Amino acid sequence: AQRVTQPEKLLSVFKGAPVELKCNYSYSGSPELFWYVQYSRQRLQLLLRHISRESIKGFTADLNKGETSFHLKKPFAQEEDSAMYYCALTVKAAGNKLTFGGGTRVLVKP
Amino acid sequence: GAVVSQHPSWVICKSGTSVKIECRSLDFQATTMFWYRQFPKQSLMLMATSNEGSKATYEQGVEKDKFLINHASLTLSTLTVTSAHPEDSSFYICSAIPGGAYSYEQYFGPGTRLTVT
Repeated sequence: AQRVTQPEKLLSVFKGAPVELKCNYSYSGSPELFWYVQYSRQRLQLLLRHISRESIKGFTADLNKGETSFHLKKPFAQEEDSAMYYCALTVKAAGNKLTFGGGTRVLVKP
Repeated sequence: GAVVSQHPSWVICKSGTSVKIECRSLDFQATTMFWYRQFPKQSLMLMATSNEGSKATYEQGVEKDKFLINHASLTLSTLTVTSAHPEDSSFYICSAIPGGAYSYEQYFGPGTRLTVT
């Protein structure tokens, strides 16, 4: 079965500092990896999908199959980046079901 | 964009009663919807996959007779918690995938907080 691990429950950084959220997964095949974000009092929303290879709100994430990682990075954190971030994995053969990591709360201090 | 709503947003019920939670896709049709459960300060745990016109598929460990799921139309799925107990108190979140062979993005509802007293 697939598993997603986010080792940090809380990341606290100052505005303008880089931030990196770690995500490791276990799955023997080729999964699709996502980052979801949940801002305070808002619903969960998709931030990034690894296949898209795009940068959203300054965030990027690279899939490293050798290390089975999909870390999320932003070079200069902003206060509005404070939120809960979830790494998630899906396998097409499993009907697009998402397996979520435990989540990392990011707090960007002024 | 695609919007998913849930009703109610918060419900309190007495132990032993049943409560129904609705999940609606407002501006798209969803052949597949998902139900998650989230405990305080924890991640989302998939409970079941709801497919329009067929029986829901439950994840291991989820009691199908306790958590009844009905996907009656392409825009509505319901989760009924039967004979609720305090341990069923949780945040229930649904998501929906717009139809189409290449659809993958799940759009999430705002969640329903259930408190069983």
